[in-house]
Parts: sequence; structure tokens; C-alpha cells
Amino acid sequence: DVKVTQSSRYLVKRTGEKVFLECVQDMDHENMFWYRQDPGLGLRLIYFSYDVKMKEKGDIPEGYSVSREKKERFSLILESASTNQTSMYLCASSTGQQETQYFGPGTRLLVL
Amino acid sequence: QKEVEQDPGPLSVPEGAIVSLNCTYSNSAFQYFMWYRQYSRKGPELLMYTYSSGNKEDGRFTAQVDKSSKYISLFIRDSQPSDSATYLCASPGGSYIPTFGRGTSLIVHP
Repeated sequence: DVKVTQSSRYLVKRTGEKVFLECVQDMDHENMFWYRQDPGLGLRLIYFSYDVKMKEKGDIPEGYSVSREKKERFSLILESASTNQTSMYLCASSTGQQETQYFGPGTRLLVL
Repeated sequence: QKEVEQDPGPLSVPEGAIVSLNCTYSNSAFQYFMWYRQYSRKGPELLMYTYSSGNKEDGRFTAQVDKSSKYISLFIRDSQPSDSATYLCASPGGSYIPTFGRGTSLIVHP
């Protein structure tokens, strides 16, 4: 079975802090994704990566950056956390095009 | 208009009922469709996928695609309280990135 893990299930941070969210997949997938999910807004794509060291902006990249130094690991960075970044963050991975995405358990981030 | 639309619900049914969850899509390039189930405070998990029109069955779950009307359905037979979750439909549309519906919340009460 595909396994996607995320470093934390719950995080509480202060406004202005730098926040790192890590995601690891164990299926040698080329593609990795970061989404945020908010009530009534559904899944919104922040960034994705289709190869090591490659990254592409999604629909809402402002205030975020990413890093992919190894194929299995994709990190999301909030450079200076703000209260409007309080959300559920979901990592996903897939292989090729038109392939299903497999999601991690999510990280619930609260920024105070 | 979003490319994949779902009624957010909630849809509330008694245990044992047949549930019908529906999506409409607008992009004719969509050929491949997925259903995800998401329990509260958890990540979405893949439930079913289908490449073509017609029905695909897996236990109590049946996915149906009607490309002529751009309509996708998920049927759940003999629904259980453990089926209570949000159900997301999605399609990759030929790219790396699926287009997701916003999800329909299902409540199955004992």
C-alpha cells in the first residue's frame, strides 16, 4: 500500500514564526503536492513538484514556499505565519499523469 | 463555474438506505474519475476510480459515469454509520493535477 506520512498531526504556532511541514512518501512517486483545505472552499493547491528540485506554483502559493531535495520528501514552508494560514494542510503523491493521488493524514495548523 | 460540482449536503439517511452521491463536470477532456472518502479531521482516501462510462462495482460501492450528460455517481448499498464522511469526486483531465469537487457530507444515522 502507498503510504504518505506528514510530520505532525497538529501544530500551534505564533504569528510571524517560520513553519515547516514535512511530507514523506514510500512509493517512489514522481509527483508530490501540497493542498490546504478550508470549510466551504474544498481543496486548494498550493504547490506541486513533478521531480526532485522541481516545483510549480498552484492556485494559492502566496506566503508559502516548498523544497524537494529528495524524491520521497516534499516540504512546505510558511516563511512568516499569519492567522489566515490557519488551516488543514494535506500532502499527496502520484505517479505519471492521470494517476490517482494518495493523501497523507493531514496537519491541522493553528496560527495564533 | 467550477469544473467539478458537488452539492455540499449534508445528506442524512437512515442506516441500511441506498445512498446516491453525485457530481457534474464541464470539461469534456475528463476521461478518468475518482471518488475519495474523507473522515472528519483525516486525509482523503481513495475509494474507487474508473476510466470509462458505465458502472464499476466494489463491494457495497458502485461508481457510475455518464459521459453524455457529464454526470458521475457513487452509490452505497446498505449504508452504515461508518460510511458517514465527506465524499469527494475528482478527475485529472489529462494533467498531473486532479480537479476536485468540494465534497458532499454524508450522515448515516442508526
